[in-house]
Amino acid sequence: NAGVTQTPKFQVLKTGQSMTLQCAQDMNHNSMYWYRQDPGMGLRLIYYSASEGTTDKGEVPNGYNVSRLNKREFSLRLESAAPSQTSVYFCASRMAGSGYQQYFGPGTRLTVT
Amino acid sequence: AQTVTQSQPEMSVQEAETVTLSCTYDTSESDYYLFWYKQPPSRQMILVIRQEAYKQQNATENRFSVNFQKAAKSFSLKISDSQLGDAAMYFCAYRSGYNNNDMRFGAGTRLTVKP
Repeated sequence: NAGVTQTPKFQVLKTGQSMTLQCAQDMNHNSMYWYRQDPGMGLRLIYYSASEGTTDKGEVPNGYNVSRLNKREFSLRLESAAPSQTSVYFCASRMAGSGYQQYFGPGTRLTVT
Repeated sequence: AQTVTQSQPEMSVQEAETVTLSCTYDTSESDYYLFWYKQPPSRQMILVIRQEAYKQQNATENRFSVNFQKAAKSFSLKISDSQLGDAAMYFCAYRSGYNNNDMRFGAGTRLTVKP
């Protein structure tokens, strides 16, 4: 049982390049999330998927797109990376319902030069 | 929008002593959940403790306990008998009971444990 996995662990991009961050969970969770973590700040929600087939914007969605490929996988795409998107990105998942906690992946450190 | 404030960017504690990390939040909602997460240098976010707003009793998990003051909108974390492995960033988080997908984090407190 791997929990929440993310690939890659590290990535360096040049401004304007695109890339997709991958996330998968094996806990049969309904809801999945993408966060970014910047120095001196807590995690901020980028996008979430409450269930397979749905996605919604979070607090900081600009510059990102997401795809809920199936119940297990939720990807985050940067179409044209900018230095302001240098951050650590976390994926999380949770069972539907109010009483359940989120489980986090190990994070991806992305640097845009 | 709900906000979470952690006013202590850094704290330190002697091994085996007790330390309290502060957290305040701003909300007009009556149904919500509060969490403390630990983030060690490995970056993995680990749930330490959670509190449902409707519960008056403060949550405890072994050496970790909270002081939940609903009227004051305060949610502090007490770590007793501190251990070297407790050294980490600690994040306070708020989750709405009306939108279970809306979770807000504080900026974090870096805890150092001195041997």
